[in-house]
Amino acid sequence: DQQVKQNSPSLSVQEGRISILNCDYTNSMFDYFLWYKKYPAEGPTFLISISSIKDKNEDGRFTVFLNKSAKHLSLHIVPSQPGDSAVYFCAASGSGGSNYKLTFGKGTLLTVNP
Amino acid sequence: DADVTQTPRNRITKTGKRIMLECSQTKGHDRMYWYRQDPGLGLRLIYYSFDVKDINKGEISDGYSVSRQAQAKFSLSLESAIPNQTALYFCATGQGKDTQYFGPGTRLTVL
Repeated sequence: DQQVKQNSPSLSVQEGRISILNCDYTNSMFDYFLWYKKYPAEGPTFLISISSIKDKNEDGRFTVFLNKSAKHLSLHIVPSQPGDSAVYFCAASGSGGSNYKLTFGKGTLLTVNP
Repeated sequence: DADVTQTPRNRITKTGKRIMLECSQTKGHDRMYWYRQDPGLGLRLIYYSFDVKDINKGEISDGYSVSRQAQAKFSLSLESAIPNQTALYFCATGQGKDTQYFGPGTRLTVL
């Protein structure tokens, strides 16, 4: 049973536009959510996170929104740049905040076209 | 220098061979993890360790074993490799909040 779902395997946007990547989760015990970016031949790198006590967290061009009632989060990238082209993984942890294990989605391949 | 290193970066082996993948970190983190990535399946947890004396199975531990030789070193072994263990393997570290930091990966092919 997949607890973290990224239903769009791929997304293509134009440079300068907004990229919106979506993630849904089913486990109500998750209380911390992260986004990772992965380039080919490299390991995933941490991008941004959000605790369940917040509904928004911003870091430069990246903003994560959390809707707990819908068990949904999204990553907004504005403006999108060609260097943002990568696979983006959504991840979640929980069970009291000291679980320290991450459950990952399958990833979304973002392509930003010049 | 990279904070999390993995060796080898690429390995081709044959069915039935024993393989060890090594991970070292200079971040000083207590927690270390091994994941595998398969196309279309995301990252799945194989084993994790919260300190040298603490080893735990993840969601797909069958066919794998680990050794935490020191705080900075965490090895993954395939005692008898099989073709469906062909995958990308990532080591990660973590401390404090749940953020984890990944190594560059090992591409393993079992023929």
